[in-house]
Amino acid sequence: EIVLTQSPGTLSLSPGERATLSCRASQSVSSSYLAWYQQTPGQAPRLLIYETSSRATGIPDRFSGRGSGTDFTLTISRLEPEDFAVYYCQQYHRPPWTFGQGTRVEIK
Amino acid sequence: QVQLVQSGAEVEKPGSSVKVSCKTSGGTFSSYTMNWLRQAPGQGLVWMGDIIPMFGKANYAQQFHGRVTITADESTSTAYLELSSLTSEDTAVYYCAREMAVKTPVFQSWGQGTLVTVST
Repeated sequence: EIVLTQSPGTLSLSPGERATLSCRASQSVSSSYLAWYQQTPGQAPRLLIYETSSRATGIPDRFSGRGSGTDFTLTISRLEPEDFAVYYCQQYHRPPWTFGQGTRVEIK
Repeated sequence: QVQLVQSGAEVEKPGSSVKVSCKTSGGTFSSYTMNWLRQAPGQGLVWMGDIIPMFGKANYAQQFHGRVTITADESTSTAYLELSSLTSEDTAVYYCAREMAVKTPVFQSWGQGTLVTVST
């Protein structure tokens, strides 16, 4: 199965700062079949990005994704208070669909 | 707008089985793949398997093979997850999630989650 490794484990930032989250795959994820989710405590995950860089419905443009092959990035251009959460990447290139272990973005 | 509503929390004893339901409203049920995932306390997301209701054939992640059964009832737009031979390691929140588009296993619609606690 494709293993996804996210870094860093925790990102401590202030509101208004830029967040850059990394997701590295153990094998190439072709056709950019990579998604990003946001999860706040006690809630189900929320889809942010699919196909590496396409924003899901209703997702603000401060969220952007890029990458190819084995290296992918989620960027939050200016952190809003509601953005402090855990973020997961997911590959859907080959089953089983797998997720990274998550990056926690916390308030500094 | 698709809504997925799951059954309530369960407490089960080791060695027993649990069945969780997920009812779809506000959207097409039969032709979209319904997935089941779980999240142990403080841990990440793990995909368990899926089913296309109109075909009725389920696919399972290898780590759960033999213990998990996913079914769907088109007449009630409800999907089910059954997990057997429970151990404490199966304590988790279980989610159903529908794919974003046909044959696109990106999870846009989620149930609220069902906490399953395995304890003596």
